[in-house]
Amino acid sequence: GEDVEQSLFLSVREGDSSVINCTYTDSSSTYLYWYKQEPGAGLQLLTYIFSNMDMKQDQRLTVLLNKKDKHLSLRIADTQTGDSAIYFCAEKLDTGGFKTIFGAGTRLFVKA
Amino acid sequence: GAVVSQHPSRVICKSGTSVKIECRSLDFQATTMFWYRQFPKKSLMLMATSNEGSKATYEQGVEKDKFLINHASLTLSTLTVTSAHPEDSSFYICSAETGTGGSPLHFGNGTRLTVT
Repeated sequence: GEDVEQSLFLSVREGDSSVINCTYTDSSSTYLYWYKQEPGAGLQLLTYIFSNMDMKQDQRLTVLLNKKDKHLSLRIADTQTGDSAIYFCAEKLDTGGFKTIFGAGTRLFVKA
Repeated sequence: GAVVSQHPSRVICKSGTSVKIECRSLDFQATTMFWYRQFPKKSLMLMATSNEGSKATYEQGVEKDKFLINHASLTLSTLTVTSAHPEDSSFYICSAETGTGGSPLHFGNGTRLTVT
């Protein structure tokens, strides 16, 4: 089936690292994405990883992919209050056509 | 690059009226655009896939006569909520791809629709 799961909430202290986890079920993923949504706004693409990669780092963001376990994580180093938002994991499936499946989103709270 | 502009950002209308929401790709051409609906504290629900020059493909359970989609050009798709009712109040977000295959979706800033 096509399913993407994330924990709903994460709370961290400012300056700490945040790790947001995601699991998916479909093995026909081509790309996996992390999006950020601030209140009342659309989704902003943060980073993405091709399904044959294990890790990608982009400034404070590190994406780890364990394809065997179908597990994706996003690590935010030195988390700031401005990082408080909802983070969506998404996978793009190649099922003849391309389709993007989103998780329910993880709400990150950053305490000062 | 890859900017998607959505208007209006917020609209309040009376029951029974129709509302049009525009989604534009500003710096790229989008043969395919997607319309999502987001309920409070919920994920995105794909409503339909908008294809330039052809009919939109609606997801199961989405009324195509109520949510009219037009993709008249490579940079513009519109969603018209016809005969709106309070239960149509929601946050509607459009997105577009810059290419095919693995290219990511780029989102507009959404439209908050309130039907009174």
